[in-house]
Amino acid sequence: DAEITQSPRHKITETGRQVTLACHQTWNHNNMFWYRQDLGHGLRLIHYSYGVQDTNKGEVSDGYSVSRSNTEDLPLTLESAASSQTSVYFCASSAGRDDSYEQYFGPGTRLTVT
Amino acid sequence: GQNIDQPTEMTATEGAIVQINCTYQTSGFNGLFWYQQHAGEAPTFLSYNVLDGLEEKGRFSSFLSRSKGYSYLLLKELQMKDSASYLCAVEDSNYQLIWGAGTKLIIKP
Repeated sequence: DAEITQSPRHKITETGRQVTLACHQTWNHNNMFWYRQDLGHGLRLIHYSYGVQDTNKGEVSDGYSVSRSNTEDLPLTLESAASSQTSVYFCASSAGRDDSYEQYFGPGTRLTVT
Repeated sequence: GQNIDQPTEMTATEGAIVQINCTYQTSGFNGLFWYQQHAGEAPTFLSYNVLDGLEEKGRFSSFLSRSKGYSYLLLKELQMKDSASYLCAVEDSNYQLIWGAGTKLIIKP
């Protein structure tokens, strides 16, 4: 069965360290997204990609970067972790507008920056 | 600015019906989504509305009025497993999803 996975599921890191969160999908979807979810806020878009070598900034992209070298993976890098980046991070994918419109979410990564 | 409003929390009784409202103001509209999210889990897709009216899917129905910037999710025959947060999201003119903060639904026996 196709799926979308994230690793690690939990991460504790120190302020200033670089952290990379992995996202891997086997749906063969063109579109991939990274969100963060904080109490009292809706999901907020960090970065997204519509295909290999395509990346775009979302609403809260400062301090984050992504790269898309293949269809399956969209790793999210926190260049210098800050306490404000403590959050739950969700990766999602979708087929695209001409096929299916719904986004499928990974299980999430809970990141704590101390 | 873009804004999605939904109640923070609602309580309902097992077996009853509950309606969760969502109002939105966005730059453009390409559809409205409802997702369910159990505590500690990922959101899962429930429904999609792009035209005005009611879409029914089993115990769940979703309604949209584009002229009023309004949608609701109707849950019938509530079960304890329906205890979750319900997220409303609008796809704007850039085909990005703008998310509400979610409505936490508590089901009591």
